[in-house]
Amino acid sequence: DGGITQSPKYLFRKEGQNVTLSCEQNLNHDAMYWYRQDPGQGLRLIYYSQIVNDFQKGDIAEGYSVSREKKESFPLTVTSAQKNPTAFYLCASSAGQKYPGAFFGQGTRLTVV
Amino acid sequence: EDQVTQSPEALRLQEGESSSLNCSYTVSGLRGLFWYRQDPGKGPEFLFTLYSAGEEKEKERLKATLTKKESFLHITAPKPEDSATYLCAVQVYQGAQKLVFGQGTRLTINP
Repeated sequence: DGGITQSPKYLFRKEGQNVTLSCEQNLNHDAMYWYRQDPGQGLRLIYYSQIVNDFQKGDIAEGYSVSREKKESFPLTVTSAQKNPTAFYLCASSAGQKYPGAFFGQGTRLTVV
Repeated sequence: EDQVTQSPEALRLQEGESSSLNCSYTVSGLRGLFWYRQDPGKGPEFLFTLYSAGEEKEKERLKATLTKKESFLHITAPKPEDSATYLCAVQVYQGAQKLVFGQGTRLTINP
């Protein structure tokens, strides 16, 4: 089945630690996105990538980093510089920038302990 | 600034009681409007895309409509399985095509 796989489903981070969230898609989509969702708020764009080896900052990129070395993969690293990382993280992909509202993964819930 | 506002924040209905959810937007250039359904702890599931005022789309008990300032998601004779958070997003161009999301409406259908 085609789709987007995010792992892990739950992640716990200690203060000062970097963690990496995985996002893999087998839809052959060019564009991939990372969003953050907090309770009672809409999704906010962290980073996006339109093509392999290229990515751009979204609205809340501070404290996060990404890479896009393969078309299928777009991992997100939450660094120790992110002051409030506890949130639900969602990865999405689309066939192209013309159609940004396509498919979402099932999310990773990150909690700082 | 591009903004999307959904109302109400939460809505509780009895099974079979029809109603509508609202999504109002202020954007510099609407490229499309999207509706999603999100179940607790899951990713959003795409429902509809609307591109121009007057456009309507239907899926089972749901119908989405679009005007120049807002969109409505009408739910007819809802069932408990329609309980979810419904998200609205607008597609805008800000250096690249992006989605701007509303905060969602949490819908509960009581049997």
